[in-house]
Amino acid sequence: QVQLVQSGAEVKKPGTSVMVSCKASGYTFTGFAVHWVRQAPGQSLEWMGWINAGNGNTKYSQRFQGRFTITRDTSASTTHMELSSLRSEDTAVYYCAKDLHGGTGFDYWGQGTLVTVSS
Amino acid sequence: QSALTQPASVSGSPGQSITISCTGTISDVGGYNYVSWYQQYPGKAPKLLIYDVSHRPSDVSNRFSGSKSGNTASLIISGLQAEDEADYYCSSYSSSSTLERVFGGGTKLTVL
Repeated sequence: QVQLVQSGAEVKKPGTSVMVSCKASGYTFTGFAVHWVRQAPGQSLEWMGWINAGNGNTKYSQRFQGRFTITRDTSASTTHMELSSLRSEDTAVYYCAKDLHGGTGFDYWGQGTLVTVSS
Repeated sequence: QSALTQPASVSGSPGQSITISCTGTISDVGGYNYVSWYQQYPGKAPKLLIYDVSHRPSDVSNRFSGSKSGNTASLIISGLQAEDEADYYCSSYSSSSTLERVFGGGTKLTVL
Protein backbone atom coordinates (compact mmCIF):
# COMPACT_ATOMS: atom_id res chain seq x y z
CA GLN A 1 0.00 0.00 0.00
CA VAL A 2 1.09 3.56 -0.65
CA GLN A 3 2.70 5.28 2.32
CA LEU A 4 4.44 8.59 2.89
CA VAL A 5 6.34 8.67 6.16
CA GLN A 6 7.74 11.97 7.36
CA SER A 7 10.53 12.80 9.77
CA GLY A 8 9.84 13.88 13.32
CA ALA A 9 8.92 17.17 14.95
CA GLU A 10 11.45 19.99 15.03
CA VAL A 11 11.99 23.02 17.25
CA LYS A 12 14.03 25.78 15.63
CA LYS A 13 15.20 29.26 16.49
CA PRO A 14 14.27 32.24 14.30
CA GLY A 15 16.71 32.78 11.45
CA THR A 16 17.76 29.15 11.21
CA SER A 17 16.72 26.46 8.70
CA VAL A 18 14.72 23.25 8.93
CA MET A 19 14.72 20.16 6.74
CA VAL A 20 11.83 17.70 6.68
CA SER A 21 11.98 14.39 4.84
CA CYS A 22 9.22 12.28 3.31
CA LYS A 23 9.91 8.63 2.48
CA ALA A 24 7.60 7.05 -0.09
CA SER A 25 6.74 3.39 -0.50
CA GLY A 26 4.18 1.27 -2.29
CA TYR A 27 4.37 2.98 -5.68
CA THR A 28 6.87 3.94 -8.38
CA PHE A 29 8.50 6.94 -6.73
CA THR A 30 9.80 8.49 -9.97
CA GLY A 31 6.39 8.35 -11.63
CA PHE A 32 4.70 11.10 -9.61
CA ALA A 33 5.24 14.57 -8.28
CA VAL A 34 5.37 15.19 -4.53
CA HIS A 35 3.91 18.38 -3.15
CA TRP A 36 4.51 20.16 0.15
CA VAL A 37 1.59 21.77 1.98
CA ARG A 38 1.64 23.45 5.37
CA GLN A 39 -0.99 24.25 7.97
CA ALA A 40 -0.43 26.84 10.68
CA PRO A 41 -2.23 26.22 13.99
CA GLY A 42 -5.97 26.65 13.52
CA GLN A 43 -5.49 27.78 9.92
CA SER A 44 -6.18 26.49 6.45
CA LEU A 45 -3.88 24.56 4.15
CA GLU A 46 -1.23 26.39 2.15
CA TRP A 47 0.48 24.99 -0.94
CA MET A 48 4.24 25.52 -0.96
CA GLY A 49 5.57 23.72 -4.03
CA TRP A 50 6.22 20.44 -5.79
CA ILE A 51 8.99 18.33 -7.23
CA ASN A 52 8.80 15.99 -10.18
CA ALA A 53 10.36 12.95 -8.58
CA GLY A 54 11.38 11.64 -11.99
CA ASN A 55 13.41 14.52 -13.40
CA GLY A 56 13.82 16.69 -10.30
CA ASN A 57 12.04 19.73 -11.75
CA THR A 58 10.49 21.97 -9.13
CA LYS A 59 7.92 24.71 -8.84
CA TYR A 60 7.48 26.88 -5.79
CA SER A 61 4.89 29.29 -4.48
CA GLN A 62 6.25 32.78 -4.96
CA ARG A 63 5.49 33.40 -1.30
CA PHE A 64 8.42 31.13 -0.37
CA GLN A 65 10.69 31.77 -3.32
CA GLY A 66 14.27 32.16 -2.28
CA ARG A 67 14.03 30.40 1.08
CA PHE A 68 12.30 27.14 0.17
CA THR A 69 13.91 24.18 -1.59
CA ILE A 70 12.62 20.72 -2.45
CA THR A 71 15.01 17.93 -3.41
CA ARG A 72 14.68 14.21 -3.91
CA ASP A 73 16.83 11.11 -3.52
CA THR A 74 15.56 8.51 -5.97
CA SER A 75 17.72 5.75 -4.47
CA ALA A 76 15.93 6.23 -1.15
CA SER A 77 12.48 7.16 -2.57
CA THR A 78 12.65 10.22 -0.36
CA THR A 79 11.77 13.86 -0.83
CA HIS A 80 13.27 16.59 1.32
CA MET A 81 12.08 20.11 1.90
CA GLU A 82 14.20 22.86 3.43
CA LEU A 83 12.87 26.18 4.66
CA SER A 84 15.39 28.82 5.68
CA SER A 85 15.33 32.17 7.48
CA LEU A 86 12.65 30.80 9.78
CA ARG A 87 10.32 33.15 11.59
CA SER A 88 7.59 32.53 14.15
CA GLU A 89 4.95 32.63 11.39
CA ASP A 90 6.51 29.47 9.92
CA THR A 91 5.31 27.47 12.91
CA ALA A 92 3.05 24.89 11.29
CA VAL A 93 2.48 21.26 10.44
CA TYR A 94 4.20 20.47 7.16
CA TYR A 95 2.76 17.74 4.95
CA CYS A 96 4.09 15.99 1.88
CA ALA A 97 1.44 14.75 -0.53
CA LYS A 98 1.61 12.56 -3.63
CA ASP A 99 0.18 13.75 -6.92
CA LEU A 100 -2.91 11.85 -7.97
CA HIS A 101 -2.64 9.30 -10.76
CA GLY A 102 -4.99 10.14 -13.61
CA GLY A 103 -6.29 13.40 -12.20
CA THR A 104 -5.44 16.57 -10.32
CA GLY A 105 -5.31 16.32 -6.56
CA PHE A 106 -3.32 14.87 -3.71
CA ASP A 107 -4.24 11.23 -3.15
CA TYR A 108 -1.85 10.24 -0.36
CA TRP A 109 -0.49 12.40 2.43
CA GLY A 110 2.28 12.02 4.96
CA GLN A 111 1.38 12.10 8.63
CA GLY A 112 2.63 15.66 8.99
CA THR A 113 5.65 17.16 10.76
CA LEU A 114 5.24 19.90 13.34
CA VAL A 115 7.86 22.61 13.02
CA THR A 116 7.93 25.07 15.89
CA VAL A 117 9.90 28.29 15.52
CA SER A 118 10.59 29.90 18.85
CA SER A 119 13.36 31.83 20.51
CA GLN B 1 -6.64 35.24 3.50
CA SER B 2 -7.16 32.11 1.40
CA ALA B 3 -7.43 32.26 -2.36
CA LEU B 4 -10.72 30.32 -2.47
CA THR B 5 -13.73 31.31 -0.38
CA GLN B 6 -15.62 28.76 1.68
CA PRO B 7 -18.22 29.26 4.41
CA ALA B 8 -16.60 29.00 7.83
CA SER B 9 -19.19 26.54 9.08
CA VAL B 10 -22.19 24.49 8.02
CA SER B 11 -24.39 22.15 9.99
CA GLY B 12 -27.00 19.50 9.42
CA SER B 13 -28.88 16.70 11.11
CA PRO B 14 -28.22 13.01 10.53
CA GLY B 15 -29.76 11.83 7.28
CA GLN B 16 -29.92 15.32 5.76
CA SER B 17 -27.90 16.63 2.82
CA ILE B 18 -25.59 19.62 3.00
CA THR B 19 -23.63 21.62 0.43
CA ILE B 20 -20.30 23.37 0.92
CA SER B 21 -19.43 26.02 -1.63
CA CYS B 22 -16.00 27.06 -2.86
CA THR B 23 -15.73 30.29 -4.83
CA GLY B 24 -12.72 31.32 -6.84
CA THR B 25 -12.03 33.16 -10.09
CA ILE B 26 -11.63 32.44 -13.77
CA SER B 27 -7.92 31.88 -13.06
CA ASP B 28 -8.63 28.86 -10.90
CA VAL B 29 -12.03 27.26 -10.20
CA GLY B 30 -13.78 28.82 -13.18
CA GLY B 31 -11.05 28.19 -15.71
CA TYR B 32 -10.25 24.54 -15.10
CA ASN B 33 -11.96 21.32 -14.08
CA TYR B 34 -9.25 20.71 -11.50
CA VAL B 35 -11.10 21.21 -8.23
CA SER B 36 -10.51 18.72 -5.44
CA TRP B 37 -12.01 18.34 -1.97
CA TYR B 38 -10.45 17.07 1.25
CA GLN B 39 -11.77 15.93 4.62
CA GLN B 40 -9.64 16.52 7.70
CA TYR B 41 -10.16 15.34 11.26
CA PRO B 42 -8.39 17.18 14.11
CA GLY B 43 -4.73 16.25 14.30
CA LYS B 44 -4.88 14.15 11.14
CA ALA B 45 -3.75 14.57 7.57
CA PRO B 46 -6.32 15.54 4.94
CA LYS B 47 -8.01 12.81 2.91
CA LEU B 48 -8.96 13.17 -0.77
CA LEU B 49 -12.74 12.99 -1.30
CA ILE B 50 -13.27 14.39 -4.80
CA TYR B 51 -10.92 15.23 -7.66
CA ASP B 52 -11.40 16.94 -11.03
CA VAL B 53 -14.66 18.52 -9.80
CA SER B 54 -16.78 15.40 -9.58
CA HIS B 55 -14.64 12.24 -9.60
CA ARG B 56 -14.53 10.10 -6.50
CA PRO B 57 -11.66 7.78 -5.49
CA SER B 58 -12.74 4.16 -5.14
CA ASP B 59 -12.41 4.19 -1.34
CA VAL B 60 -14.70 7.20 -0.82
CA SER B 61 -18.40 6.76 -0.03
CA ASN B 62 -20.86 7.66 -2.79
CA ARG B 63 -22.56 9.96 -0.27
CA PHE B 64 -19.91 12.50 -1.30
CA SER B 65 -20.29 14.22 -4.66
CA GLY B 66 -19.00 17.34 -6.36
CA SER B 67 -20.10 19.82 -8.99
CA LYS B 68 -19.15 23.18 -10.45
CA SER B 69 -20.93 26.17 -11.95
CA GLY B 70 -18.93 29.13 -13.15
CA ASN B 71 -16.40 30.17 -10.55
CA THR B 72 -18.05 28.17 -7.74
CA ALA B 73 -17.55 24.51 -6.94
CA SER B 74 -19.66 22.57 -4.49
CA LEU B 75 -19.27 19.51 -2.29
CA ILE B 76 -22.49 17.73 -1.50
CA ILE B 77 -22.75 15.28 1.38
CA SER B 78 -25.95 13.25 1.45
CA GLY B 79 -27.29 11.03 4.22
CA LEU B 80 -25.28 12.95 6.80
CA GLN B 81 -23.66 10.79 9.48
CA ALA B 82 -22.01 11.66 12.78
CA GLU B 83 -18.64 10.57 11.39
CA ASP B 84 -18.87 13.28 8.72
CA GLU B 85 -18.21 15.93 11.36
CA ALA B 86 -14.83 17.31 10.24
CA ASP B 87 -13.16 20.17 8.39
CA TYR B 88 -13.49 20.28 4.61
CA TYR B 89 -11.15 22.05 2.20
CA CYS B 90 -11.41 22.72 -1.50
CA SER B 91 -8.40 23.15 -3.75
CA SER B 92 -7.89 24.13 -7.36
CA TYR B 93 -5.20 24.38 -9.96
CA SER B 94 -4.39 28.03 -10.61
CA SER B 95 -2.86 29.79 -13.59
CA SER B 96 -1.59 32.53 -11.30
CA SER B 97 2.06 33.36 -11.75
CA THR B 98 2.57 33.26 -7.99
CA LEU B 99 1.32 29.79 -7.13
CA GLU B 100 0.03 26.72 -8.92
CA ARG B 101 -2.39 25.28 -6.40
CA VAL B 102 -4.74 27.16 -4.11
CA PHE B 103 -6.84 26.10 -1.13
CA GLY B 104 -10.00 27.38 0.44
CA GLY B 105 -10.19 28.62 3.99
CA GLY B 106 -11.92 25.47 5.16
CA THR B 107 -15.43 24.68 6.39
CA LYS B 108 -16.25 23.13 9.74
CA LEU B 109 -19.14 20.69 9.39
CA THR B 110 -21.16 20.07 12.52
CA VAL B 111 -23.60 17.15 12.64
CA LEU B 112 -26.35 18.15 15.03
